[in-house]
Amino acid sequence: AQSVTQLGSHVSVSEGALVLLRCNYSSSVPPYLFWYVQYPNQGLQLLLKYTSAATLVKGINGFEAEFKKSETSFHLTKPSAHMSDAAEYFCAVTFTGNQFYFGTGTSLTVIP
Amino acid sequence: DTAVSQTPKYLVTQMGNDKSIKCEQNLGHDTMYWYKQDSKKFLKIMFSYNNKELIINETVPNRFSPKSPDKAHLNLHINSLELGDSAVYFCASSNSGGLSYEQYFGPGTRLTVT
Repeated sequence: AQSVTQLGSHVSVSEGALVLLRCNYSSSVPPYLFWYVQYPNQGLQLLLKYTSAATLVKGINGFEAEFKKSETSFHLTKPSAHMSDAAEYFCAVTFTGNQFYFGTGTSLTVIP
Repeated sequence: DTAVSQTPKYLVTQMGNDKSIKCEQNLGHDTMYWYKQDSKKFLKIMFSYNNKELIINETVPNRFSPKSPDKAHLNLHINSLELGDSAVYFCASSNSGGLSYEQYFGPGTRLTVT
């Protein structure tokens, strides 16, 4: 069965510190992987995506993620957290383009 | 122009009523979705339409009925609303024939059933 797991429903970092949000997937076929961000009272916005090209993917707002097939992971990082990064982050996977599987979300708090 | 739009943004209604939420996308996508997000932010797929045909119908009460009059629209009708239906409902669209499949989400409709 295909699925996505996000470790840590809540992550707190200090402003300026490294952000690391974890995502692991399970799949028997090559996946397409995504990170979405949801700001309060808004819809989901695509941060970045992996589509079998480069394994290190750069997204908007200074975020990047690395696809590691051996670890079945697609962790999201940002070198220096900003207050405006506080939001809910979702990892998602699809294999067919019709069915998407979302993780349970990670709430990021940035401490000034 | 808004890529994926939903109306209304807020919907407050009483138990037992029937209500509809509308969704439109102007991206030329062939696949549209309805998701339900509960108070814990968990996203659950409800329905998916590809070229106006239902392709995903998760375990959802049959009080929920989607309708896709054309590829650009996917509406959600809910009969006999219950307290547990209170949630944020998101519409999304994607292109199944594309190379990257990313979904674009609407701003959500916050449904409150009293």
